Amino acid sequence: DAGVIQSPRHEVTEMGQEVTLRCKPISGHDYLFWYRQTMMRGLELLIYFNNNVPIDDSGMPEDRFSAKMPNASFSNLKIQPSEPRDSAVYFCASSPSQETQYFGPGTRLLVL
Amino acid sequence: SQQGEEDPQALSIQEGENATMNCSYKTSINNLQWYRQNSGRGLVHLILIRSNEREKHSGRLRVTLDTSKKSSSLLITASRAADTASYFCATLGDTGFQKLVFGTGTRLLVSP
Repeated sequence: DAGVIQSPRHEVTEMGQEVTLRCKPISGHDYLFWYRQTMMRGLELLIYFNNNVPIDDSGMPEDRFSAKMPNASFSNLKIQPSEPRDSAVYFCASSPSQETQYFGPGTRLLVL
Repeated sequence: SQQGEEDPQALSIQEGENATMNCSYKTSINNLQWYRQNSGRGLVHLILIRSNEREKHSGRLRVTLDTSKKSSSLLITASRAADTASYFCATLGDTGFQKLVFGTGTRLLVSP
């Protein structure tokens, strides 16, 4: 298994632009998580899905952020419009249960 | 706020020495997990200990859990330069549909 796949690995964009981050979870995993990691705030859970259904989006910072999981093998996280304070590393993780999570390599986002 | 607080924030040791990291949390848990993150990479699951367990081993790793003190420790014996990474504890609550909550992490540097 290739593990959790994220794309792009790096993204540099200008303030106001739309950003789309993509994730392919491990096949057979029913849970998918989106995290954001910064030096100041550490690792924050943004949203998670169970069987493609969003369960808890209380960590989504504001309406500029949205996430979807149209099928079991794909999820995306969109930021529109992006702002410099959104600069961070965004991780996707999947899990067969609520226990051990398997993380992707992350997308390093820089908003200028 | 994050559930887990780790101590120390940073630890520097020589190869061959043991490294001990501590994690404290606030509410009752179903399990506690430790993850490693190498620089620029995603988190990797190391070990899981359930609330009814007191100690667990995996290779050079030893984890203890004291639910009365709401604390856990991770011991890495005979450390190697390759153990250089950040280590995070994560807790899963014991009621309802819980999400894994990560601590602030300990940065470990093992010098040759």
